Amino acid sequence: KAGVTQTPRYLIKTRGQQVTLSCSPISGHRSVSWYQQTPGQGLQFLFEYFSETQRNKGNFPGRFSGRQFSNSRSEMNVSTLELGDSALYLCASSLNTQGDEQFFGPGTRLTVL
Amino acid sequence: AQSVTQPDIHITVSEGASLELRCNYSYGATPYLFWYVQSPGQGLQLLLKYFSGDTLVQGIKGFEAEFKRSQSSFNLRKPSVHWSDAAEYFCAVGLNQGGKLIFGQGTELSVKP
Repeated sequence: KAGVTQTPRYLIKTRGQQVTLSCSPISGHRSVSWYQQTPGQGLQFLFEYFSETQRNKGNFPGRFSGRQFSNSRSEMNVSTLELGDSALYLCASSLNTQGDEQFFGPGTRLTVL
Repeated sequence: AQSVTQPDIHITVSEGASLELRCNYSYGATPYLFWYVQSPGQGLQLLLKYFSGDTLVQGIKGFEAEFKRSQSSFNLRKPSVHWSDAAEYFCAVGLNQGGKLIFGQGTELSVKP
């Protein structure tokens, strides 16, 4: 069974631009969560989607948004990029949302110049 | 507020020596507890998890962890460390209301030959 895939793996943008990251969960998984990882703040929860609905949201500004499609694939979007948005963005999928094991993808490394 | 504390930012052990990584959590109810490992440039891989039942849980790669409710701890152990265990280790709490994970800051493990 294929794992969680994230595209692109690396991305370089400039301040003020916007970016869209994509995540394909493991087949059959309906929950997709997104995390931001930085050296200073560590791993922080962005949001979780289940059956195309946002179920949980972390403490990030409204510039960070996401969505989930009917096939469970998910995208996250960051508008008006800031230097501090440079991070590794990790996507994780699980079968359901009740504390199940989350399987992580390799991440998208975003660099904002 | 829920939180996870990993007191040790960096630990160095000799190959063949035993290992214990500490994790303390703050959460009102019985949590779902996880240990993940991350190698450089990679996503997170689940080592083990605790949901309920036996407080000593076995994981992959020879790791085990013990849940101690009275101490709000979930320490990770391995009797004999291998050089390939060098990586960053994250303890996480899964909240009952969904797929959101709260991570500790991580412990970087170095292994001396």
